[in-house]
Amino acid sequence: AQSVTQLGSHVSVSEGALVLLRCNYSSSVPPYLFWYVQYPNQGLQLLLKYTTGATLVKGINGFEAEFKKSETSFHLTKPSAHMSDAAEYFCAVSDPNTDKLIFGTGTRLQVFP
Amino acid sequence: NAGVTQTPKFRILKIGQSMTLQCTQDMNHNYMYWYRQDPGMGLKLIYYSVGAGITDKGEVPNGYNVSRSTTEDFPLRLELAAPSQTSVYFCASSYSRDRAYSPLHFGNGTRLTVT
Repeated sequence: AQSVTQLGSHVSVSEGALVLLRCNYSSSVPPYLFWYVQYPNQGLQLLLKYTTGATLVKGINGFEAEFKKSETSFHLTKPSAHMSDAAEYFCAVSDPNTDKLIFGTGTRLQVFP
Repeated sequence: NAGVTQTPKFRILKIGQSMTLQCTQDMNHNYMYWYRQDPGMGLKLIYYSVGAGITDKGEVPNGYNVSRSTTEDFPLRLELAAPSQTSVYFCASSYSRDRAYSPLHFGNGTRLTVT
């Protein structure tokens, strides 16, 4: 069985500060890992994904995440927050043998000027 | 470039009423999904379809029905609305089941309140 834990339902940062959103996963097989972003009143958009190969993956809008097998983590970072980054972020895991995505509970990011 | 279109955007139902949430996609995707999103709970899969005429249950199918008569459309039916079905519903589609190469495309959601 697979599961995802996102630590912190709300994260607040100042504009220009580092963004760190935490995600830990549990999987019995090498997983695929994803970060999705949801802006207000919109659906989810894929931010980035890890499937195989390089463990540091870059996504849209300057976000990146690193797959750390030893820590079973896939934390999302951005060096400098922008007001437009305010949104809800979801980590998700899937078994490469299925198409089912297991989503975390989400982290709402607030960015203050 | 419509993508995945959901209607209506908002709806208020009384307990026991029925309704159909519409979902249509113009990307010729075979795979379509219905999720519900509850505060602090993430997204849960209700039903999915791998092609016209084929549907299957997800994690939380009770109280819902689906059909897939065409590739484009995947409506979700609530027969006897209950307060527990108050949620935001998202439809999604993908070209294939391989998440490495075929991401999910989401609609903008339907916010449903049952009172």
